[in-house]
Amino acid sequence: GAGVSQSPSNKVTEKGKDVELRCDPISGHTALYWYRQSLGQGLEFLIYFQGNSAPDKSGLPSDRFSAERTGGSVSTLTIQRTQQEDSAVYLCASSLGQGENQPQHFGDGTRLSIL
Amino acid sequence: AQSVAQPEDQVNVAEGNPLTVKCTYSVSGNPYLFWYVQYPNRGLQFLLKYITGDNLVKGSYGFEAEFNKSQTSFHLKKPSALVSDSALYFCAVRDSSGNTPLVFGKGTRLSVIA
Repeated sequence: GAGVSQSPSNKVTEKGKDVELRCDPISGHTALYWYRQSLGQGLEFLIYFQGNSAPDKSGLPSDRFSAERTGGSVSTLTIQRTQQEDSAVYLCASSLGQGENQPQHFGDGTRLSIL
Repeated sequence: AQSVAQPEDQVNVAEGNPLTVKCTYSVSGNPYLFWYVQYPNRGLQFLLKYITGDNLVKGSYGFEAEFNKSQTSFHLKKPSALVSDSALYFCAVRDSSGNTPLVFGKGTRLSVIA
């Protein structure tokens, strides 16, 4: 389809393992965002990319979290040595640019469960 | 720093009645304001935005929102609620004065009862 695609849709893993979450933005969208949604906590901003650059990494909760984007398209969010508090839905969004008139288009998220 | 408050965790309304979902914000400059809706196991869908111009903004699915600068509010409204409007609604704000990310409220769950 033409929307933002995230994979996997669900991921269950053991504490201490590394996980990699993937986001395929809408073609032509230069801005890409990662959020974390925990129950009752709304959306927590993690990081955004303009092209392949990440001007704002301030939302990453710890050094176990990292993200990259290649070719101005696909992005991966990696969580190393996962902890139970990392359990959440991770949402990716993209927009035509970082400009104020551009609404963000969201994927359906990856539901991450750490056992 | 910018922030958004959605004072109601839950709003219940009868089908056919008007609905209001409240949002207040705080920014240092002029606000850019957005409403999104989230259905179960789905991502957020854009409903409407206020950037500049008319204070009353019309969006998707018959929703509208009114920007009130003096009250720093941007409440979401619909004249006649449908059962299919039941979902989680998020208000978001961005300060126009800087290159800052969008800040989301905690969400309000709307239940429309037949």
